Amino acid sequence: AQSVTQPDIHITVSEGASLELRCNYSYGATPYLFWYVQSPGQGLQLLLKYFSGDTLVQGIKGFEAEFKRSQSSFNLRKPSVHWSDAAEYFCAVGPKAAGNKLTFGGGTRVLVKP
Amino acid sequence: NAGVTQTPKFQVLKTGQSMTLQCAQDMNHNSMYWYRQDPGMGLRLIYYSASEGTTDKGEVPNGYNVSRLNKREFSLRLESAAPSQTSVYFCASSRTGNGQETQYFGPGTRLLVL
Repeated sequence: AQSVTQPDIHITVSEGASLELRCNYSYGATPYLFWYVQSPGQGLQLLLKYFSGDTLVQGIKGFEAEFKRSQSSFNLRKPSVHWSDAAEYFCAVGPKAAGNKLTFGGGTRVLVKP
Repeated sequence: NAGVTQTPKFQVLKTGQSMTLQCAQDMNHNSMYWYRQDPGMGLRLIYYSASEGTTDKGEVPNGYNVSRLNKREFSLRLESAAPSQTSVYFCASSRTGNGQETQYFGPGTRLLVL
């Protein structure tokens, strides 16, 4: 069965500093890969997604993610964090066949210090 | 467009009571989903509906039933609530059931079962 691991439950970062969130997956083949963000009390919003091709993908709000097949990883990065980036971030994977059924990681909560 | 809407926002139930969570989308999407979110576990798929008239089980379907009432609406029913069903429930929709499609999430329903 597929699984997604986000090793960091909480990360605290200073405003203006860089941010990297880790995501590792276990899957039979390279799945579709997603990062979602959840602001407090809100639903989830898609940041970016990877299907194939260029392994560095750009998303909204200045985020990017890099797919590394050899490491089964899809880490999310942002060069300079803003206070509004405080939220919970979820990595998710989905099969390339058999429907749009996502498996989510446990999430990483990001706190931003002024 | 309102996107994906969910009612109620918050509900308290006693063990054994029943209730229905409502979800509607106004994006003319074919596929709809119900997830539950528990701390440290991310989101887990309960049921999904690839298209109007079809439903299928996800990862954690026990204790739940669903109805795809029409293209817009997808409800989740708890027949006999248990404390283990205390959670935040999210409805989502996507244009199709293709794995590349973005899922759009509602704001969630927070359920407490005493």
